[in-house]
Amino acid sequence: GAVVSQHPSRVICKSGTSVKIECRSLDFQATTMFWYRQFPKKSLMLMATSNEGSKATYEQGVEKDKFLINHASLTLSTLTVTSAHPEDSSFYICSAGLAGGPPIFGPGTRLTVL
Amino acid sequence: GESVGLHLPTLSVQEGDNSIINCAYSNSASDYFIWYKQESGKGPQFIIDIRSNMDKRQGQRVTVLLNKTVKHLSLQIAATQPGDSAVYFCAENGNAGGTSYGKLTFGQGTILTVHP
Repeated sequence: GAVVSQHPSRVICKSGTSVKIECRSLDFQATTMFWYRQFPKKSLMLMATSNEGSKATYEQGVEKDKFLINHASLTLSTLTVTSAHPEDSSFYICSAGLAGGPPIFGPGTRLTVL
Repeated sequence: GESVGLHLPTLSVQEGDNSIINCAYSNSASDYFIWYKQESGKGPQFIIDIRSNMDKRQGQRVTVLLNKTVKHLSLQIAATQPGDSAVYFCAENGNAGGTSYGKLTFGQGTILTVHP
């Protein structure tokens, strides 16, 4: 079946550094991918829609200059957290899906900013 | 039992019992609904989905019921097993349709604990 992978699975960084998270669709192409953020014991919150070959669409309240999204190919979207701070520590999850079907989620990336 | 505010609702059952997890959604225009299971430290795993032109759909050991009149969705798990212990989320697509089936709004989630 269709699988979505993420890399890295967990990352620890110092405050002020930037971190890149990759989301890949395996065995299928995804013109659209989605990035979510999940704080402990909370639900998933959509951050942005990643569009292949065009700009990402951000949800209200999400800073586009802070969370850079690049969708350069039909199987890869990247989320870069720029100048990360402790409040950016969270579980970042991407999803993709075949048209008309349920979105498939990646395994998530645990970001810890010290 | 249930709790409000900062805590996720919880449901504790004995192995072999049937479980019912409820969800209220807000967007009356939503036409696609999904239940996901999330284990600790992992991404959500698809369980079952239903479109707004249906009120019931069955899978293996799971049934989803949709009541559009009161905007309510439920997930029934038959013969619950310890491996079913996880957080369960309902999600709606807000009638995004087309290629945006992936743009989901998630419910707050319910913690299911199954005791052997």
